[in-house]
Amino acid sequence: DVKVTQSSRYLVKRTGEKVFLECVQDMDHENMFWYRQDPGLGLRLIYFSYDVKMKEKGDIPEGYSVSREKKERFSLILESASTNQTSMYLCASSLSSEDTEAFFGQGTRLTVV
Amino acid sequence: DQQVKQNSPSLSVQEGRISILNCDYTNSMFDYFLWYKKYPAEGPTFLISISSIKDKNEDGRFTVFLNKSAKHLSLHIVPSQPGDSAVYFCAASSTGNQFYFGTGTSLTVIP
Repeated sequence: DVKVTQSSRYLVKRTGEKVFLECVQDMDHENMFWYRQDPGLGLRLIYFSYDVKMKEKGDIPEGYSVSREKKERFSLILESASTNQTSMYLCASSLSSEDTEAFFGQGTRLTVV
Repeated sequence: DQQVKQNSPSLSVQEGRISILNCDYTNSMFDYFLWYKKYPAEGPTFLISISSIKDKNEDGRFTVFLNKSAKHLSLHIVPSQPGDSAVYFCAASSTGNQFYFGTGTSLTVIP
């Protein structure tokens, strides 16, 4: 069974802290994504990666960075957490081919206080 | 600018009746469309998809219709069940390398 695992379900961090959100997939997928979900705004793409050490900005990359040192792992980094980064963060992966779906992790609810 | 739009934030349907969720897109390069279902505090799960070479795809109680000329797709659930109550997101892709999501429709199926 396909699996995308996010390291934490719930996190509470203080303003200004550096935050790491980890995501691991076991499907040998080339593509990995980080989204955030906010009420009324749907899923917005932060960053995605189509290969190891490759990354592309999504729609809302400001305040975030990513790291992909190994194919199965994609990390989202909040360099200096702010309260407006309180959100549900969703990691996903997919094959690099047409007509394929993305598989999501269970999500991390991050609260910045 | 939102390339995939779901204009109805919420929908309520009686159990056993049909639920119709709608989605519009603006990018004519999109050639693959997906529907995801999401429960609170969980990640979205894939429900059904359709390629642009088709206009209909069916899987059990779920059918997706695609109208390319109108840039519109819809998800039909029949009969609706209380367990279908969730947020439904439509998504679109043009290369398989990026997925663009709508804002979601919260479906409530009333027993």
